[in-house]
Amino acid sequence: NAGVMQNPRHLVRRRGQEARLRCSPMKGHSHVYWYRQLPEEGLKFMVYLQKENIIDESGMPKERFSAEFPKEGPSILRIQQVVRGDSAAYFCASSPGDSFREQYFGPGTRLTVT
Amino acid sequence: KNQVEQSPQSLIILEGKNCTLQCNYTVSPFSNLRWYKQDTGRGPVSLTIMTFSENTKSNGRYTATLDADTKQSSLHITASQLSDSASYICVVRVRGNNRLAFGKGNQVVVIP
Repeated sequence: NAGVMQNPRHLVRRRGQEARLRCSPMKGHSHVYWYRQLPEEGLKFMVYLQKENIIDESGMPKERFSAEFPKEGPSILRIQQVVRGDSAAYFCASSPGDSFREQYFGPGTRLTVT
Repeated sequence: KNQVEQSPQSLIILEGKNCTLQCNYTVSPFSNLRWYKQDTGRGPVSLTIMTFSENTKSNGRYTATLDADTKQSSLHITASQLSDSASYICVVRVRGNNRLAFGKGNQVVVIP
């Protein structure tokens, strides 16, 4: 049973470009969470999704950031017109039900904006 | 102010020695508390999870304690190994919603 998969593991973008981060949850998991980790900082919640639904996006910046979890395929975190401050590690976690149960984390995508 | 504070921020210990990491939280209402281990360049991996009715839980050489009255938790590492070098993150779940509050982590370095 493969764990949570994220790709790419490393992504370099120039300012103004778009970044797309993908997350495939563990088999049988229908809940996905995205977190951002800045250097020397703890993980910060961004968004919680179930299949085809955004449940809680209160941690998402209001502009440039969007997330989806379609019926088929991975969850996508999309950052438009990236800026240097978007450079961070982005982690995805999944759980079989709501987060009363344990969340399993992926290896993360390290985004560098030049 | 962060709702989950961890100390010490970083720690260097000799292989074979024990160490204790501290976590204080102000999250309320409280549902559960988890300790994760995060190796450099990797995602966090769960070590323990405790509800407020549990005051100790072990996972191999890792033992977590919880005092829900004082809102404090500790993670004790026994007979440390080089592979214990990592960041240890305290995470508190808020009861009634899906939010998790993360500490910044205790950075542990085990040296031979």
